[in-house]
Amino acid sequence: GENVEQHPSTLSVQEGDSAVIKCTYSDSASNYFPWYKQELGKRPQLIIDIRSNVGEKKDQRIAVTLNKTAKHFSLHITETQPEDSAVYFCAASASGYSTLTFGKGTMLLVSP
Amino acid sequence: DAGVIQSPRHEVTEMGQEVTLRCKPISGHNSLFWYRQTMMRGLELLIYFNNNVPIDDSGMPEDRFSAKMPNASFSTLKIQPSEPRDSAVYFCASSLIDGYTFGSGTRLTVV
Repeated sequence: GENVEQHPSTLSVQEGDSAVIKCTYSDSASNYFPWYKQELGKRPQLIIDIRSNVGEKKDQRIAVTLNKTAKHFSLHITETQPEDSAVYFCAASASGYSTLTFGKGTMLLVSP
Repeated sequence: DAGVIQSPRHEVTEMGQEVTLRCKPISGHNSLFWYRQTMMRGLELLIYFNNNVPIDDSGMPEDRFSAKMPNASFSTLKIQPSEPRDSAVYFCASSLIDGYTFGSGTRLTVV
């Protein structure tokens, strides 16, 4: 089955800096890669996703990149703000009716 | 839409007791997932239903865990008997094709 590795497990940045979280996956059939943000005590919420037919997608301060050859994808957050502090999860699946396999999560702390 | 609704939000029970967690998926979504979240193991898929039929229950820890989806708008996850190591946050999620929507979760504490 699919295996998703996520790094780093914790990341501390100063407000205004950029943050990058990286994930690798094992199943070459995977073609859907969402990212979830989970604030303390809350549910995971989808913040951005990318499919294998594109290499990059941006939404305001958030961007995801995908390298299918190397089987890795990354989340980039620019101009970080304290409210970006949360746990971020990457995931992968073969689109359609396949389940998501999640990475172990990255705790991002943005200091004012 | 009210989103995925789970109940109860918190459950504290004694070891050996039966626990039932409930989930109402988003109307129109045809897939439903039960996940367990712990610090040590992260988000683990327990079971997955498609069109009310269990498709993959390989993540269910043992026979003490069971799940049902009697119709498109309701699912239960039952633990009988419960043990302290079952303490975790249990999330239900639903989807149509991609991109899960999670419920608020049930924080289960077994003492």
